[in-house]
Amino acid sequence: GAGVSQSPSNKVTEKGKDVELRCDPISGHTALYWYRQSLGQGLEFLIYFQGNSAPDKSGLPSDRFSAERTGGSVSTLTIQRTQQEDSAVYLCASSLRGRGLYNEQFFGPGTRLTVL
Amino acid sequence: AQSVTQLDSQVPVFEEAPVELRCNYSSSVSVYLFWYVQYPNQGLQLLLKYLSGSTLVKGINGFEAEFNKSQTSFHLRKPSVHISDTAEYFCAVPFYNQGGKLIFGQGTELSVKP
Repeated sequence: GAGVSQSPSNKVTEKGKDVELRCDPISGHTALYWYRQSLGQGLEFLIYFQGNSAPDKSGLPSDRFSAERTGGSVSTLTIQRTQQEDSAVYLCASSLRGRGLYNEQFFGPGTRLTVL
Repeated sequence: AQSVTQLDSQVPVFEEAPVELRCNYSSSVSVYLFWYVQYPNQGLQLLLKYLSGSTLVKGINGFEAEFNKSQTSFHLRKPSVHISDTAEYFCAVPFYNQGGKLIFGQGTELSVKP
């Protein structure tokens, strides 16, 4: 079946512009995660959605970052007024559920964001 | 607080040689541990996981790892590597009781040379 998909695969933007990154999780997966992979910081958790519960936003680095998940499926990560330090690969993952015994997270290929 | 340390940022090795990628963790609670692999320009793929039970865990592509509670380690091993194993490898542990979100080590770049 289809895995996690992300779009665009690459995004180049100018400093100060807003960007939107999209994630389509595996159908039926109720948990969705965003991570950021950058040279200086490695792989970092950003935000987590589980069903209809309020998202865990504890990893968002600043208020320029926000995310939403519509209809419990597709998620969009928005970065406002991008800065050069936002340049990174943004990875999305989904799993069947996020509570109790660990469930494997399936990762998308990522969106490479370059802020000039 | 939980944390993960990967002791080697780069590991060069010749084809068909054995390899060990080191991972140490810090946790005061029951531990789940994972190894992920990232091939160039791709997302992460789960190699293997330790949840409970046998401390020797076998994963895909001939990799295995051993959970050692006394040494707080979860080193990844393969007896004979292939060129196709060239990738970045990440050790990870979930934040305790926080929905499964992961803390990753800094990654180890495995480079297999002919």
